[in-house]
Amino acid sequence: TQLLEQSPQFLSIQEGENLTVYCNSSSVFSSLQWYRQEPGEGPVLLVTVVTGGEVKKLKRLTFQFGDARKDSSLHITAAQPGDTGLYLCAGAGSNYQLIWGAGTKLIIKP
Amino acid sequence: ETGVTQTPRHLVMGMTNKKSLKCEQHLGHNAMYWYKQSAKKPLELMFVYNFKEQTENNSVPSRFSPECPNSSHLFLHLHTLQPEDSALYLCASSQERLREQFFGPGTRLTVL
Repeated sequence: TQLLEQSPQFLSIQEGENLTVYCNSSSVFSSLQWYRQEPGEGPVLLVTVVTGGEVKKLKRLTFQFGDARKDSSLHITAAQPGDTGLYLCAGAGSNYQLIWGAGTKLIIKP
Repeated sequence: ETGVTQTPRHLVMGMTNKKSLKCEQHLGHNAMYWYKQSAKKPLELMFVYNFKEQTENNSVPSRFSPECPNSSHLFLHLHTLQPEDSALYLCASSQERLREQFFGPGTRLTVL
């Protein structure tokens, strides 16, 4: 069974701080997606990483796919209250399904 | 309307009620999904429809019954639910399996 573990489960920091959240597995994924879900809404795709070692940037968000395509990280620089939300990772699994992590709940305090 | 819409947004029902959740996508996608989202748990894939054909049923109890009358509409019929079925039910669509999924806002279901 393929699993994705996200850490930390919960993170509360002050505006302007940096943070990193992780998405780890013992399985290899052909690609990995990161989503953000705000209260009362469904998840929205932020980025897809495909190649081992790939780094993608979305303004203050930096996404990295591990060299072995088993893990990924999301780094936020100078966090803003608008970054508050539930961050979900999902890996493209071997059984043609997306495997989802449980998410990191991020709160950025003004 | 654009994107993926879901109705109702909130639903409270007793264990003996019958209700239905509705999802509509305006994106021309070929695949549609029902997910169950509970606190601190990964999204649980319930059903997948690809070109209107059900391709997966991930061991979902028979008290949940999906229906896909066409490629734009998806229903989840609910009957004799249990309190542990209380959760956020999300509908999503994608152009192909494993590609980006577009989600609706969800239906917050409470079973009393």
